[in-house]
Amino acid sequence: NAGVTQTPKFRVLKTGQSMTLLCAQDMNHEYMYWYRQDPGMGLRLIHYSVGEGTTAKGEVPDGYNVSRLKKQNFLLGLESAAPSQTSVYFCATREDGYGYTFGSGTRLTVV
Amino acid sequence: QQQVKQSPQSLIVQKGGISIINCAYENTAFDYFPWYQQFPGKGPALLIAIRPDVSEKKEGRFTISFNKSAKQFSLHIMDSQPGDSATYFCAAGAMGFQKLVFGTGTRLLVSP
Repeated sequence: NAGVTQTPKFRVLKTGQSMTLLCAQDMNHEYMYWYRQDPGMGLRLIHYSVGEGTTAKGEVPDGYNVSRLKKQNFLLGLESAAPSQTSVYFCATREDGYGYTFGSGTRLTVV
Repeated sequence: QQQVKQSPQSLIVQKGGISIINCAYENTAFDYFPWYQQFPGKGPALLIAIRPDVSEKKEGRFTISFNKSAKQFSLHIMDSQPGDSATYFCAAGAMGFQKLVFGTGTRLLVSP
């Protein structure tokens, strides 16, 4: 039982490159979230999903896209990476009415 | 109205002392208040949570105190240990909430 698995764990991108971060869960949770964490800024919500085939914008959605084609997977895409997107990205899932379960994070550096 | 304000930003406590972190909210619809603990290089993990039908919840050395009228809640860590050194986030959500609102985090250092 892996819980929430994020891949990759680390990545360095050049400005303008694209990439996809994968979040996979084996808990059958409906809700999934992508957050970014920056020093002094806490956790900021990028996008989230309330079920398979649904997505919604969070606080800081610009420059990111997401897809939830399968219930267990939530993908975060960067179409044209910018240095401002250097951050640690966390995926989380949630059982209805309760708190989140977070993955271990992806550390992304855009140079 | 959706914000959760957390203080202090950082905290240094002697081993054996009491660590106190405070959070305040404005949205009276919030009815679920969790605290998360995050160690360096790891994702946040649920530590303890409270619903507003009680004023206090204790789990081991960790206690949440909740003041509904003041719209404040706090985390108390009794007999703080160096292993408690981590970043702590408070959060809030409303019944049937789709997403939690997080505080900005408190970095706790417990000195030996």
